[in-house]
Amino acid sequence: QKEVEQNSGPLSVPEGAIASLNCTYSDRGSQSFFWYRQYSGKSPELIMSIYSNGDKEDGRFTAQLNKASQYVSLLIRDSQPSDSATYLCAVNLNTGFQKLVFGTGTRLLVSP
Amino acid sequence: EPEVTQTPSHQVTQMGQEVILRCVPISNHLYFYWYRQILGQKVEFLVSFYNNEISEKSEIFDDQFSVERPDGSNFTLKIRSTKLEDSAMYFCASRGTGVDNSPLHFGNGTRLTVT
Repeated sequence: QKEVEQNSGPLSVPEGAIASLNCTYSDRGSQSFFWYRQYSGKSPELIMSIYSNGDKEDGRFTAQLNKASQYVSLLIRDSQPSDSATYLCAVNLNTGFQKLVFGTGTRLLVSP
Repeated sequence: EPEVTQTPSHQVTQMGQEVILRCVPISNHLYFYWYRQILGQKVEFLVSFYNNEISEKSEIFDDQFSVERPDGSNFTLKIRSTKLEDSAMYFCASRGTGVDNSPLHFGNGTRLTVT
């Protein structure tokens, strides 16, 4: 069974702090990795994509990938209350048709 | 920015009835998907569609489900005889061509309630 695992949380951080979200995946052949943000009752919204080992930064967000450890993380710097949402890790199984498998998501709460 | 649109936003139906959920993918996309999310659970893959045929489907996507691209713009999911456990948010998604790893773009979803 191909799986993507995340801690469901909630992860509580104060405003202005760094939030660190983690994800592990089981399929060693996975090639592309995504972080989506989902507000309650809404659809997943793409935050970051990462395809190679190392760090990728976009504004306040940094995605980190370690394929040897099968580990993906998302750092959110200067967290804002509006960042409070569920963050979904999604992994592309190496099937050629971009079938994303989602983790259960980590709920992030940023307190003012 | 182009977006995936889904209608209706909320559908209430009685058990055993047929429902059709509609999606208009981003216009130059060629890969289409349906996902569902039962309340409080993870987003689950249902089916992928490319070149007018199903490319992959999950165990959830049984004979009660079907997909169709009836024209150049719409992509539909039909559930023939709904069950209570079909109640969920259904998300349509599409992705672009040319880059195998391009991300999925999701519509706003249809909340299906089966009573």
